Amino acid sequence: EDKVVQSPLSLVVHEGDTVTLNCSYEVTNFRSLLWYKQEKKAPTFLFMLTSSGIEKKSGRLSSILDKKELFSILNITATQTGDSAVYLCASISEYGNKLVFGAGTILRVKS
Amino acid sequence: GAGVSQSPRYKVAKRGQDVALRCDPISGHVSLFWYQQALGQGPEFLTYFQNEAQLDKSGLPSDRFFAERPEGSVSTLKIQRTQQEDSAVYLCASSLALGEGGNEQFFGPGTRLTVL
Repeated sequence: EDKVVQSPLSLVVHEGDTVTLNCSYEVTNFRSLLWYKQEKKAPTFLFMLTSSGIEKKSGRLSSILDKKELFSILNITATQTGDSAVYLCASISEYGNKLVFGAGTILRVKS
Repeated sequence: GAGVSQSPRYKVAKRGQDVALRCDPISGHVSLFWYQQALGQGPEFLTYFQNEAQLDKSGLPSDRFFAERPEGSVSTLKIQRTQQEDSAVYLCASSLALGEGGNEQFFGPGTRLTVL
């Protein structure tokens, strides 16, 4: 059974800090890993990573995938209170469309 | 519409009552997914449609759960004889994907179901 594990489960930082969120996976016929940010209800898409070692960047957020060690990290630099959310990591396999999610990391950024 | 919409946003049901949750995907999106998210957990897959065909319903927890998408756009998730363990947020997502393997899924705001 495909599995995605995120760490830490929760994190409290101060504005301006840099954070690294971790995601490891065990997926048969792995294709891609996705990161979502969830505030209130709807997860919003951040990144989809398919190739190993290629960093994807969007503003203060960046992410990279290591397909040899089966993990991904999401970095947020110069954190702001608006970054407070649950960050979800999900895998998708080559032969299916369903996302398998981790339990999420709760990030709280204090001003 | 601009995004995935779901209704109602909140639903309170008495145990044993039937409920129906609606999802309007992004116009033109072929694939539609339903997920169940319990408090403090990540979403868990329930079922997947490609157009009107339900291609995967392996995540439906029991035969009380039924989903349909008769015209390949709007979908309804129906839960019969609701139980307290059905309390969760039900998320709908859609994507352009025609085939298998990984396209971005856009999520709706979810329906929070509380069964008393």
